[in-house]
Amino acid sequence: AQTVTQSQPEMSVQEAETVTLSCTYDTSESDYYLFWYKQPPSRQMILVIRQEAYKQQNATENRFSVNFQKAAKSFSLKISDSQLGDAAMYFCAYRSATSGSRLTFGEGTQLTVNP
Amino acid sequence: GAVVSQHPSWVICKSGTSVKIECRSLDFQATTMFWYRQFPKQSLMLMATSNEGSKATYEQGVEKDKFLINHASLTLSTLTVTSAHPEDSSFYICTASRGSSYNSPLHFGNGTRLTVT
Repeated sequence: AQTVTQSQPEMSVQEAETVTLSCTYDTSESDYYLFWYKQPPSRQMILVIRQEAYKQQNATENRFSVNFQKAAKSFSLKISDSQLGDAAMYFCAYRSATSGSRLTFGEGTQLTVNP
Repeated sequence: GAVVSQHPSWVICKSGTSVKIECRSLDFQATTMFWYRQFPKQSLMLMATSNEGSKATYEQGVEKDKFLINHASLTLSTLTVTSAHPEDSSFYICTASRGSSYNSPLHFGNGTRLTVT
């Protein structure tokens, strides 16, 4: 079964600085999607960014970018110019055809942004 | 954008009673819906997958007689927690998929906070 691991339960960053959240996963498949979701205190799940495994180019969405290392099965999220509104729980997630199209989540990383 | 409405957003019930949570896709047909459970400061754990018109597929360790899932139409799935107990108190989230493929867009409901007293 596929597993997703986030080894940083908590991270903090100064406002306007850059922070990187780590994620590793285990799979034997070659075609899948990886996601980063943000969950603020409201607990609404917000899609931050997604990466298709067959695309070598790292996905970017404004201040958010990923470093996708397929061979190493690593998928880190970089947040540039951190803002107070970025404070939230961040989940890395995996999805593939053989997993029934479900999302498998990592344990989450609680990000604090200090003013 | 696509909207998934989950209702109620929060509910308090007494131990032994049943609670129904609805998940509706408002502007698209959801072939598949997923139900997750999240304890405080923990990750989302998949409880079951429901496909319209067929029985739900439950994850290992999830009691199907306790957590009844019905997906009677392409826009509505319901989760009923039967004979609720305090340990069932949790945050429940539904996710609707536009298609059955792993690259079909997924849309989250806002979640339901269940407290059993």
